[in-house]
Amino acid sequence: DAGVIQSPRHEVTEMGQEVTLRCKPISGHDYLFWYRQTMMRGLELLIYFNNNVPIDDSGMPEDRFSAKMPNASFSTLKIQPSEPRDSAVYFCASSAGSYYGYTFGSGTRLTVV
Amino acid sequence: SQELEQSPQSLIVQEGKNLTINCTSSKTLYGLYWYKQKYGEGLIFLMMLQKGGEEKSHEKITAKLDEKKQQSSLHITASQPSHAGTYLCGADKLGANNLFFGTGTRLTVIP
Repeated sequence: DAGVIQSPRHEVTEMGQEVTLRCKPISGHDYLFWYRQTMMRGLELLIYFNNNVPIDDSGMPEDRFSAKMPNASFSTLKIQPSEPRDSAVYFCASSAGSYYGYTFGSGTRLTVV
Repeated sequence: SQELEQSPQSLIVQEGKNLTINCTSSKTLYGLYWYKQKYGEGLIFLMMLQKGGEEKSHEKITAKLDEKKQQSSLHITASQPSHAGTYLCGADKLGANNLFFGTGTRLTVIP
């Protein structure tokens, strides 16, 4: 299995631009999670899906953030418009259920200038 | 997350020394997970503990979960430079399939 695949690995964008991060979960995993990691706040859960349906988006910081999961093999996290304070590493993770653990992707390092 | 406290925040040890990292919650947990992260990289799964009193080992790393399922420790025996990185404990609650994390412990191993 190729694991959880995220793209791009690095993204540099100008303030005000739209940014889209992508994630392909492990096949057969029903749960997909988006996390943000910063030095100040550590790893924060933004949103998670079960069977493509958003279950808890209470961690999404603002309306500028949105996430979708159109099918079981693909999810996006969009930031529009982006701001410098959005600079962070964004991780995607998938799981077959908590009993089986959680697998993380390599992350996308976002820099907004 | 404020729900998981890790200690110490950072640790510097001489190669060959043993060390312990702690993770504490004020609430009973369903599962406790340990991950390792090298700078600029993703999270590598180490171990998962789900039963009170459970203990697991892999190579030189041993993780334990207390009977109340509120405290876990990660012990490294005879540390090596390859053990260096940030260790994160994560947990979830019964009925909630979402993982939240402690603040991490940064380990440096001096050759």
